[in-house]
Amino acid sequence: QKEVEQDPGPLSVPEGAIVSLNCTYSNSAFQYFMWYRQYSRKGPELLMYTYSSGNKEDGRFTAQVDKSSKYISLFIRDSQPSDSATYLCAMSARTGRRALTFGSGTRLQVQP
Amino acid sequence: DADVTQTPRNRITKTGKRIMLECSQTKGHDRMYWYRQDPGLGLRLIYYSFDVKDINKGEISDGYSVSRQAQAKFSLSLESAIPNQTALYFCATSDFPTGGDEQFFGPGTRLTVL
Repeated sequence: QKEVEQDPGPLSVPEGAIVSLNCTYSNSAFQYFMWYRQYSRKGPELLMYTYSSGNKEDGRFTAQVDKSSKYISLFIRDSQPSDSATYLCAMSARTGRRALTFGSGTRLQVQP
Repeated sequence: DADVTQTPRNRITKTGKRIMLECSQTKGHDRMYWYRQDPGLGLRLIYYSFDVKDINKGEISDGYSVSRQAQAKFSLSLESAIPNQTALYFCATSDFPTGGDEQFFGPGTRLTVL
């Protein structure tokens, strides 16, 4: 079983829709949680970073962490065609070498 | 991201050939990483380096080797390439602990082994 599970999609939504992207994890040592966005033929870029349970908002994006359920989510409000990309969750432990463990990525397509 | 560059961007090679992928960064970060990305498998860590003298194997290091020539340069070698090493390869850097766990990625190298 993978340490981090992510629905691969693809997910297709109309412009303006609310998008929910999710990851579950099994390693209770994970304390830091990130969402990366990857456009086609580009490297991933950091979108959101959080380390506590609860919500963190940045513009149209909200990252949610539920450590008791080992579940994280990324919500995109008023989705735009420019949001079409692959979204990867990533997480790391508080101690040790602090390497990131990535989910497999969810491909999102926002239709105009 | 122009701060992390990778060469070549695309490479086609044959089974058994030795190949080197290069990564350079101008961010001044000590930590550098090599990942491969395959459809449905996400990013998997091959090797990582916390400074010039500290190099560590990741989860899928078999068949790969690395060299950290300087703080700014980290190279990945495939000693004898095989078709299942066909993938997208990314180099990344981080500024831990100052910058937390955020990693900055290069544009990737698409490698095809025939």
